[in-house]
Amino acid sequence: AQTVTQSQPEMSVQEAETVTLSCTYDTSENNYYLFWYKQPPSRQMILVIRQEAYKQQNATENRFSVNFQKAAKSFSLKISDSQLGDTAMYFCAFMKKEYGNKLVFGAGTILRVKS
Amino acid sequence: KAGVTQTPRYLIKTRGQQVTLSCSPISGHRSVSWYQQTPGQGLQFLFEYFSETQRNKGNFPGRFSGRQFSNSRSEMNVSTLELGDSALYLCASSLELTGVGTEAFFGQGTRLTVV
Repeated sequence: AQTVTQSQPEMSVQEAETVTLSCTYDTSENNYYLFWYKQPPSRQMILVIRQEAYKQQNATENRFSVNFQKAAKSFSLKISDSQLGDTAMYFCAFMKKEYGNKLVFGAGTILRVKS
Repeated sequence: KAGVTQTPRYLIKTRGQQVTLSCSPISGHRSVSWYQQTPGQGLQFLFEYFSETQRNKGNFPGRFSGRQFSNSRSEMNVSTLELGDSALYLCASSLELTGVGTEAFFGQGTRLTVV
C-alpha cells in the first residue's frame, strides 16, 4: 500500500517570500503520478501542480514548482512570491498509473501567508 | 463549463438514519470518486464509479454504498448513521478511468453532521 507523509502540520510565510512544503511517499510502484492540491477555507479542492514519475523534469506552474526526487521518494512544493490568496491547506497526493483514479493523500500542511 | 456539483451542501442527520448525497460531474467526465474528510483521519478514498460500475473501493464498512447513473451522476448512501460519520464528503470527477494522469476535479463537498 502507498503512504504519503507531510511532516509540517503548519507553516507561515511573509507575503512576497518563498516557502517550501515537504512531502515524502512510500511505494513499490514505478509508474505513478504525484499531485499537490490546495484547499482554501471555501473547502474547494484545487489542483496546484502534477508530476509524472517517469518525467525527470520538475513540473512548474507559474509561481509553483516542485522538486521531485524519485530515488528519495520526495516531492516538495515551492511557492515563490507568496500571496495572501495562497493561504490554504495543501495536500500532497499519490496516484498509481493504472486502472482507476484513486488518490492517496497526505495529512496536509496549513500554510498561512502574512502581510 | 460547469464544475462538479454536490448537493446538498450541508446536512444534519440523527444517529441511525440514512443519508444520500449527490454528485454531478463535469459534463463529459465519466469517472466519479468519493472521499471522506475528517480532522482525525484526513482524506480517505471511499469508492470510484465508471460507466455505472464500481471500479475501486476503499476500506469502509458496507454501510457506505454508492451508484452511478447513465448520465454519470453519482449518489452515495450511508445507512445506520454513526456519530463518526460526521465529515466533509468530497466528490471528484475525472475524464477517463485509465491512468493517463487525468486530473481529478473536486466539488465543494457536503458537510454531514450526525447528532
